[in-house]
Amino acid sequence: AAGVIQSPRHLIKEKRETATLKCYPIPRHDTVYWYQQGPGQDPQFLISFYEKMQSDKGSIPDRFSAQQFSDYHSELNMSSLELGDSALYFCASSLGLKSSYEQYFGPGTRLTVT
Amino acid sequence: SQQGEEDPQALSIQEGENATMNCSYKTSINNLQWYRQNSGRGLVHLILIRSNEREKHSGRLRVTLDTSKKSSSLLITASRAADTASYFCATDDGGAQKLVFGQGTRLTINP
Repeated sequence: AAGVIQSPRHLIKEKRETATLKCYPIPRHDTVYWYQQGPGQDPQFLISFYEKMQSDKGSIPDRFSAQQFSDYHSELNMSSLELGDSALYFCASSLGLKSSYEQYFGPGTRLTVT
Repeated sequence: SQQGEEDPQALSIQEGENATMNCSYKTSINNLQWYRQNSGRGLVHLILIRSNEREKHSGRLRVTLDTSKKSSSLLITASRAADTASYFCATDDGGAQKLVFGQGTRLTINP
């Protein structure tokens, strides 16, 4: 079965650079979520989209922005990168907005800021 | 963690033994989910239990939910080396779509 696809899988950037992470949800899934997991930490919710509109927002820095496109894929744009942004970034998708729907996670993008 | 604690933080057992992990949360929920994460990899969905359910089974997994105590437990029976991973509980934080994760239990199965 098709799963959530994230690209790139690994990314190395320097401080103050920008990065763009991409997420392709499971076919027919209309809701996308972004999470950040620092080293040894639990995943923290950043932002979510439903039908191309932002549906919820968590602890996402102002330096980050995201959007969902007409084909339901999503991109997380990160600017003025800081060392503390080094983390594993997960995208998850689900069918619908109801919380009872299971979220399926992608393999993650490991971002290293040097 | 925003939501609560997982207990224990680390657990090491022999292959074939049962492993029990506990999770506590703070807010009211509609459902609670358990995920597995192999080192540095993606989160794999294991099981979802709704707030009106008390127990749920899936293969070697058994999940219980006590909403009065705001706690859940995950039992893995007849553990295998391949079960070595971190296990996270996640709740919907009062019905929101976002998931709020516990700190996770790092489980090591020794052959």
